[in-house]
Amino acid sequence: NAGVTQTPKFRVLKTGQSMTLLCAQDMNHEYMYWYRQDPGMGLRLIHYSVGEGTTAKGEVPDGYNVSRLKKQNFLLGLESAAPSQTSVYFCASTAGTGGYGYGYTFGSGTRLTVV
Amino acid sequence: AQKITQTQPGMFVQEKEAVTLDCTYDTSDQSYGLFWYKQPSSGEMIFLIYQGSYDEQNATEGRYSLNFQKARKSANLVISASQLGDSAMYFCAMREVSEGAQKLVFGQGTRLTINP
Repeated sequence: NAGVTQTPKFRVLKTGQSMTLLCAQDMNHEYMYWYRQDPGMGLRLIHYSVGEGTTAKGEVPDGYNVSRLKKQNFLLGLESAAPSQTSVYFCASTAGTGGYGYGYTFGSGTRLTVV
Repeated sequence: AQKITQTQPGMFVQEKEAVTLDCTYDTSDQSYGLFWYKQPSSGEMIFLIYQGSYDEQNATEGRYSLNFQKARKSANLVISASQLGDSAMYFCAMREVSEGAQKLVFGQGTRLTINP
């Protein structure tokens, strides 16, 4: 019953460094999403994917890249981290069809600090 | 334009009282879904309740109910008999379909504090 797993859970980066956040789901979900959460802002969509090999921009995509080479994995990359990218990052997935309101499953989050 | 508006940044309620958290939404779609999530201090997102736009009855899940007023575009969360463990951030979210894909759009959240 793993659901959605995010790694790492915490990370501190220096300005200009790069890193990749991994999201893995074992529910065979088609849709996957990356959100960021900042104080007082709720969750904002960074990028999303509607299936293996597809990606699209969300509300706040600048400074991030994503890839979905395998259906179960959705990677979020920061090529050159900036302090403005200090945030908590959540991954989510959904089957997209059936069930109660196409339920969404969230990972436990990654807390990223850029100094 | 804000698609999901939660006008209460913070609320303080006495234990065992009922509490209503407000949520209004903006959409021109006929088919949409409304969700409420709870985020305790530990940070995880916990699904509470869902209401589909075509559902005629208000959704209920234990102590949680969703007061859905479609004409007013509101989807308020009602928690009956509040408990100390209900202290958390609460987010209203709407599932919308745009650019051929469904997405979940969140409000800013309401921080609920239950006082003993």
